[in-house]
Amino acid sequence: DVKVTQSSRYLVKRTGEKVFLECVQDMDHENMFWYRQDPGLGLRLIYFSYDVKMKEKGDIPEGYSVSREKKERFSLILESASTNQTSMYLCASSPYPSGSTADTQYFGPGTRLTVL
Amino acid sequence: GIQVEQSPPDLILQEGANSTLRCNFSDSVNNLQWFHQNPWGQLINLFYIPSGTKQNGRLSATTVATERYSLLYISSSQTTDSGVYFCAVERRYNFNKFYFGSGTKLNVKP
Repeated sequence: DVKVTQSSRYLVKRTGEKVFLECVQDMDHENMFWYRQDPGLGLRLIYFSYDVKMKEKGDIPEGYSVSREKKERFSLILESASTNQTSMYLCASSPYPSGSTADTQYFGPGTRLTVL
Repeated sequence: GIQVEQSPPDLILQEGANSTLRCNFSDSVNNLQWFHQNPWGQLINLFYIPSGTKQNGRLSATTVATERYSLLYISSSQTTDSGVYFCAVERRYNFNKFYFGSGTKLNVKP
């Protein structure tokens, strides 16, 4: 069965702390994504990666960085957390585009981050 | 980017009722998906439907790509259908970048 896991369901951090959010998928997917979800705004793409050590900025990359050292793991890093980064963070993975039903994204359970 | 608008933003149904959710998008797309987010936050793909019609049990979806909209039909709704429904599109020639609508929050009452 398809599985995407995230390191924490709930996380509380202080302003200025460095925060690591980890995501692991077991489907051998090439693509991995980080989104944040805020009320009324849907999901917004922060970064995505289409291969190991490859990354591209999404729509809201400011204040974030990512790391993909292994195919199955994609990390989101908040270099210096701020209160406006309080949000739900969702990781997803998908296979390389082929124009088939297998191109769907599979999501992890999410991490609700609160920055105080 | 591409604009994705979903309507209605909120919907309350009595169990057993039918409903239609709409997704409008502003540009040509490679890929359109419907997702359901359950009350615990988990997003599950319902349909991959860049064009045409698909059915899965009580749910069906239709995308008219030339007119840039998609519809999700829920028939004989159940309380387990509650949650938020998202439409997400992948813009043509812009692979891997998905744009989500702001969702339709559905509450099915027993």
